[in-house]
Amino acid sequence: QSALTQPPSASGSPGQSVTISCTGTSSDVGGYNYISWYQQHPGKAPKLMIYEVTKRPSGVPDRFSGSKSGNTASLTVSGLQAEDEADYYCSAYAGTNTPYVFGTGTKVTVL
Amino acid sequence: EVQLVQSGAEVKKPGESLKISCKGSGYNFASYWIGWVRQMPGKGLEWMGIMNPVNSDNRYSPSFRGQVSISVDKSISTAYLQWSSLKASDTAVYYCARRPSTTGAPFDYWGQGTLVSVSS
Repeated sequence: QSALTQPPSASGSPGQSVTISCTGTSSDVGGYNYISWYQQHPGKAPKLMIYEVTKRPSGVPDRFSGSKSGNTASLTVSGLQAEDEADYYCSAYAGTNTPYVFGTGTKVTVL
Repeated sequence: EVQLVQSGAEVKKPGESLKISCKGSGYNFASYWIGWVRQMPGKGLEWMGIMNPVNSDNRYSPSFRGQVSISVDKSISTAYLQWSSLKASDTAVYYCARRPSTTGAPFDYWGQGTLVSVSS
């Protein structure tokens, strides 16, 4: 199972929006509505931001939203803030024996 | 408060064995699978494997099957990741994470990470 493809970097000014893509196959991203997104600040553990494509855990700002079309999932961060600068990873379910496939990661920079 | 507290950093030599731990608290340990994720220096996240504390049912990534062993001791709410013979390429931060038992569930809480350094 290959890693899901994400752009290495994305950026935006404070207040703007940034969208990160996550491309897989019909066996993972396209096959199930079990897409998650994680935020990781330098030296810190990942934090769950989105699950089941569009759902936000309690405490995650509604500036973070997810979507999916075919074999590509997306994370949009609206109203960018300085604290949103971090690495973001997508993850997809690919069946009982492969419950997790992670993306290659995207570094988001707030200009 | 849900917490996963991992054991401290390790410095080992190639060929040595190692077992790192992850202790859960603030929730019913037996009701959630525990997974392990590797992050090599400057690299992304890689799923290694998961285990159900109730019956030790497990899944391993093909990349890690046979290279590591995951175990749990539900009596002390602790999961383990073990190597029998470390290699320099095992140098990484290893995270444990909790996963609800439903199909497709994400890792909803993570440990702080354990840095493993392997060098001669």
